[in-house]
Amino acid sequence: QVELAQSGAEVKKPGASVKVSCKTSGYTFTNYGITWVRQAPGQGLEWMGWISVYNGDTKYVKEFQGRVTMTTDTATNTAYMEVRRLRSDDTAVYYCARGAIGTKLDPWGQGTLVTVSS
Amino acid sequence: DIQMTQSPSTLSASIGDRVTITCRASQSIGSYLAWYQQKPGKAPKLLIYEASSLESGVPSRFSGSGSGTEFTLTISSLQPDDFATYYCQHYNSHQYTFGQGTKLEIK
Repeated sequence: QVELAQSGAEVKKPGASVKVSCKTSGYTFTNYGITWVRQAPGQGLEWMGWISVYNGDTKYVKEFQGRVTMTTDTATNTAYMEVRRLRSDDTAVYYCARGAIGTKLDPWGQGTLVTVSS
Repeated sequence: DIQMTQSPSTLSASIGDRVTITCRASQSIGSYLAWYQQKPGKAPKLLIYEASSLESGVPSRFSGSGSGTEFTLTISSLQPDDFATYYCQHYNSHQYTFGQGTKLEIK
C-alpha cells in the first residue's frame, strides 16, 4: 500500500534550519507530486508549497518564498523540505502528502513536530 | 486569493444524527473541492474529492455535494468514530486553500 513515512521530531533554536524528510513507498514516485502542509498547535491546516517529482518544478506560498526549499531524491523515493531562519511561530507539525498541484492529497505522512524555542 | 469559509466552527451532535457542514468559497471554484477528517494527533484523511466523489474505503454514510461557491459534507448517521475535525480544501493549478475547520463533538 502507499505510505509516506516522515522523519522524527526536532527541536531547534530561533535562526536555525530544519530539514524534514518524507520517505515514500508503494507507488511510482515520479508519477506524483509532493505537497507540504503545516499545522501550528491548536490551529488549522496551512499549505506551504508543492514539488513535482517528475521535473523538480516547485511552487511556494509567498510567505515562505526564500526561506523554504523543497527537493526530492528519486534514488531513495524521498522528499525533503528545509525551512531556514526558524522563528518561534514556525513551531508546528509539518506534513507531506502525495498529490500533484491541482489534485487531491492522499495519503499523508504521519507528521513531524518541529519546535522552535530558545 | 480564494478564501474558504466553513460553518459552523463547532458542532455538537449525538450518535445516529444526520449532520451537515458547509464550506463557502469567495469565488466560484467549480467542483475543485475536497473534504478531510482529522483526529487529534493524527494526519488528515481524505474523505471526498471533486466535491462529491467518495474516496475508496470511506464509509458510504459520508457524502459531499455542491459546486461553484457552496459545498456541503453530510454524515447520514453519526458513528462514534466520526467525532473529529473536518476541513474543506480548494485545489487548483496555483494553490491549495483550506477552510478553518469544523470540530464535531459529542453532545
